[in-house]
Amino acid sequence: GESVGLHLPTLSVQEGDNSIINCAYSNSASDYFIWYKQESGKGPQFIIDIRSNMDKRQGQRVTVLLNKTVKHLSLQIAATQPGDSAVYFCAENSRGAGGTSYGKLTFGQGTILTVHP
Amino acid sequence: SAVISQKPSRDICQRGTSLTIQCQVDSQVTMMFWYRQQPGQSLTLIATANQGSEATYESGFVIDKFPISRPNLTFSTLTVSNMSPEDSSIYLCSVEAGRDEQFFGPGTRLTVL
Repeated sequence: GESVGLHLPTLSVQEGDNSIINCAYSNSASDYFIWYKQESGKGPQFIIDIRSNMDKRQGQRVTVLLNKTVKHLSLQIAATQPGDSAVYFCAENSRGAGGTSYGKLTFGQGTILTVHP
Repeated sequence: SAVISQKPSRDICQRGTSLTIQCQVDSQVTMMFWYRQQPGQSLTLIATANQGSEATYESGFVIDKFPISRPNLTFSTLTVSNMSPEDSSIYLCSVEAGRDEQFFGPGTRLTVL
């Protein structure tokens, strides 16, 4: 298969541990952020999003934290499972004049998460 | 969310040839996008495909190399023209559904020999 991950940072955890994946974004005008999970041979899967008027959002087993001061985004996965093993990407979007979404996502480099049973 | 399919799922092509990739969505969407993911890399936006108008290309991508069609609100094609081995990548389409949420297709894995 594809060698996704040769150039990406890695995180290895034990099953049941909590995982934290970090992302630094570049555009201070970005107002919408998404985390994606990409398994081998598949397209990115939407996990959770957050808007710039929030600093925390929770989903099922996942929490996204946004620190606009330092332009930092993190994804926390609780009780990590082997099925969580994948590449995780953050993406940022900015809004144009009048609130129109550009729809153009800028992706971070990605992090490979490996969960050991 | 939106259900997105792509054809072909993978292909191996000879240099100098062209390949057209299809993207089909199960609902009408205004904005569709094409991304490239080179081996071991993140995703890079190629262009935004708008129905009824020319696609908008990002810096480094041109229409002659990556012509795009968007004949209706559920379908788009991306052609990779005059291919070289450097075009070997995963090509992904995505759509914006709901307010800003963007969903991806499964990708087309292209190898150019």
